[in-house]
Amino acid sequence: DIVMTQTPLSSPVTLGQPASISCRSSQSLVHSDGNTYLSWLQQRPGQPPRLLIYKISKRFSGVPDRFSGSGAGTDFTLKISRVEAEDVGVYYCMQATQFPVTFGQGTRLEIK
Amino acid sequence: EVQLLESGGGLVQPGGSLRLSCAASGFTFSTYAMSWVRQAPGKGLEWVSVISGSGGSTYYADSVKGRFTISRDNSKNTLYLQMNSLRAEDTAIYYCAKSRKDLDIGSSGPLIYYFDYWGQGTLVTVSS
Repeated sequence: DIVMTQTPLSSPVTLGQPASISCRSSQSLVHSDGNTYLSWLQQRPGQPPRLLIYKISKRFSGVPDRFSGSGAGTDFTLKISRVEAEDVGVYYCMQATQFPVTFGQGTRLEIK
Repeated sequence: EVQLLESGGGLVQPGGSLRLSCAASGFTFSTYAMSWVRQAPGKGLEWVSVISGSGGSTYYADSVKGRFTISRDNSKNTLYLQMNSLRAEDTAIYYCAKSRKDLDIGSSGPLIYYFDYWGQGTLVTVSS
């Protein structure tokens, strides 16, 4: 199985400041169809996960443009340009390029 | 509006059985793959099982293979997970999740794409 490793595991951030989360996969996530099935999920406290970003950098419907994704191959990044209070929660990267689907351990975003 | 509503969770003894349901609405249910993903208390996410839109193809995580069975009733827009021989380590919130497309069964295994909608989850506790 592909192992997804996120850093940091915890990220205290000041409101209005940027935040960045890294995700590294143990193998390339480029699928034979040419796409890279790396997505980012947000889980607010007490809530189910919610899709933010899919295929590395595509924002899902309704996701604010302060969220952006980048990367290629085995290294990926989720950036929040200006953190708001509602962004508190745990963020997961997920790969679906190779079966089975696997997730990163999660990064807890908290406000300083 | 896409909605996924799980039910059927509860307290069960080790070795017992439980059937979870996920009622779907707001999309053409039969044309999308559906998965179950679980989250142990205070832990991360673990994919459990996926089923194709027609129900003809199913896949499982090694941790549940032979004990859990995923199925769907497209006439009722409902996804199921039959869980047998439950263990303490199966204790978790179980989410149903919709895939972006139907399963693509390739030479390297099924392609699930990504999960665009998730249900609220149902808690399963396995304890004596």
